[in-house]
Amino acid sequence: AQTVTQSQPEMSVQEAETVTLSCTYDTSESNYYLFWYKQPPSRQMILVIRQEAYKQQNATENRFSVNFQKAAKSFSLKISDSQLGDTAMYFCAFMRGTSGSRLTFGEGTQLTVNP
Amino acid sequence: DAGITQSPRHKVTETGTPVTLRCHQTENHRYMYWYRQDPGHGLRLIHYSYGVKDTDKGEVSDGYSVSRSKTEDFLLTLESATSSQTSVYFCAISEPKQGALGNEQFFGPGTRLTVL
Repeated sequence: AQTVTQSQPEMSVQEAETVTLSCTYDTSESNYYLFWYKQPPSRQMILVIRQEAYKQQNATENRFSVNFQKAAKSFSLKISDSQLGDTAMYFCAFMRGTSGSRLTFGEGTQLTVNP
Repeated sequence: DAGITQSPRHKVTETGTPVTLRCHQTENHRYMYWYRQDPGHGLRLIHYSYGVKDTDKGEVSDGYSVSRSKTEDFLLTLESATSSQTSVYFCAISEPKQGALGNEQFFGPGTRLTVL
């Protein structure tokens, strides 16, 4: 079974600064995907970024990037130039590389961006 | 945005009553999922479906049943609701894809259920 751990229940950052959210996972699979989802107060789950395990290059999406360390089973999210709209709960999630696989989520990190 | 709706969006019920939550999609995606979200646990899978009338259990399936008679609808039923089933319930959909895109899941807006 896979497990995902987010060790930071809450974090805060000043507007325009950079923040990094941590995530570790445990799996015996070789083919898998990792995701970061954002959940603002509206409760909607929004995909922020995705990483394929077979890719060595770290994924980036505008101000969001990941540091994927496969051997260490670490998958952190870096948010640059933080904006007030980034305030949300962030979830790290794991998915096996098989069609229709379920997502296994971490406990979440509540990020607050302060003006 | 993926066309996923959930109904009702909010519900308050009493212990022992049956409750059915509905997930409806307009994307014709093959896979559908029900998750529950509780503080300190993230989202956990209850049941999922890989086609019409094809369903399977997730990690927290006790006390829940599901049905999928049409591609577009996936129903979650609490036969006799308990206070421990107070939660936010999310439906998700996905469609298998070849190549590097992976099987991204798209989520509905969620249903807040309170069992008194």
